[in-house]
Amino acid sequence: KQEVTQIPAALSVPEGENLVLNCSFTDSAIYNLQWFRQDPGKGLTSLLLIQSSQREQTSGRLNASLDKSSGRSTLYIAASQPGDSATYLCAPAGFKAAGNKLTFGGGTRVLVKP
Amino acid sequence: EAGVVQSPRYKIIEKKQPVAFWCNPISGHNTLYWYLQNLGQGPELLIRYENEEAVDDSQLPKDRFSAERLKGVDSTLKIQPAELGDSAVYLCASSLGSQSTDTQYFGPGTRLTVL
Repeated sequence: KQEVTQIPAALSVPEGENLVLNCSFTDSAIYNLQWFRQDPGKGLTSLLLIQSSQREQTSGRLNASLDKSSGRSTLYIAASQPGDSATYLCAPAGFKAAGNKLTFGGGTRVLVKP
Repeated sequence: EAGVVQSPRYKIIEKKQPVAFWCNPISGHNTLYWYLQNLGQGPELLIRYENEEAVDDSQLPKDRFSAERLKGVDSTLKIQPAELGDSAVYLCASSLGSQSTDTQYFGPGTRLTVL
């Protein structure tokens, strides 16, 4: 059974500092891995999707890396802003036979202080 | 383009009462998911539909939970009877299909409180 751990559980940084969010997973036979953002009381917004064959994916200030063999992914957010305050969740997807089933970590709650 | 729509957004009921949640996925999305999210945790999959067929319901507590997607578009998740431990956020998501490139898009969720 896939288990996903996100460290740290919470993070508070001053505006402008770079953020590094870590995700580890126990089963490396994954289809892809997604990073999501969740604002309080709202659903999840997909930030990045990395295919199992890719090493990284970038979107604006966000960069996600994937090391499938070691079961790790890292989300980097450059030059953080107060609007980046949210909970960030990673979710590796089970292999094709599992139909792209996502297993979520518990999330990292981020607070960016002005 | 409209995203995933869920209703109601909030529901408060007493234990042993029935409750139903509705989800309308993004137009053209064949795959629909229902997730349960407890406070401070990540979502957990309850059931996945490919069109109108439930292809993965292994995590759905079938003694009290049921779901349907009769025409392969919108879906309903029901709990009967509800228990105190069912208090959580119920999220619906959809994707074009189940390929590795298919991003899942989530609705805002229904927050259920069982008293």
